[in-house]
Amino acid sequence: GAGVSQTPSNKVTEKGKYVELRCDPISGHTALYWYRQSLGQGPEFLIYFQGTGAADDSGLPNDRFFAVRPEGSVSTLKIQRTERGDSAVYLCASSFGQAGGRRSYNEQFFGPGTRLTVL
Amino acid sequence: GEDVEQSLFLSVREGDSSVINCTYTDSSSTYLYWYKQEPGAGLQLLTYIFSNMDMKQDQRLTVLLNKKDKHLSLRIADTQTGDSAIYFCAQRGGADGLTFGKGTHLIIQP
Repeated sequence: GAGVSQTPSNKVTEKGKYVELRCDPISGHTALYWYRQSLGQGPEFLIYFQGTGAADDSGLPNDRFFAVRPEGSVSTLKIQRTERGDSAVYLCASSFGQAGGRRSYNEQFFGPGTRLTVL
Repeated sequence: GEDVEQSLFLSVREGDSSVINCTYTDSSSTYLYWYKQEPGAGLQLLTYIFSNMDMKQDQRLTVLLNKKDKHLSLRIADTQTGDSAIYFCAQRGGADGLTFGKGTHLIIQP
């Protein structure tokens, strides 16, 4: 597709359940980012992939959160034992990343997000 | 740590200029960005500025950067109803992930 797509658009789950959120980046973009946006807040960085590897996972809040990108394209954010505080919009973005060079402004293109509600 | 601060609301009359302000803390920032978020839509990059620049103009948008005070502003000339949105300031430091402010809600009065 033309832009970043995310599925599902909405996910309602119960406390303690496991969820997976999917991101399809723009074709050719080597970098992929996950952010979390809570109500009334700006997006908060979670993890960044360059290719298949997680180049920076310093934003993951705890070990219940995990993300993979096995073939360097689609990524899945996995949340175990969900808690009510995990409720937020999870945003994915992609860019040319390091391929654009460190002096490149490296525009990140954002998807529409997945709204996760934990009851 | 990295932090980005913005005022939460700005109300302007249609046709006036809007000035949205932001302060940041990371002196190693290479790029600073302004993103726009409309209801039901994804984040859209409006403009950006490299940290060695003082000003950047792009049609109705003017970005001013005061690196000494770590202050960034976005001026929207001739504000229209379609400019109503949340505007986020973001910085890119040593890593590639962005640090965003909480966003400024721009409210347009007729």
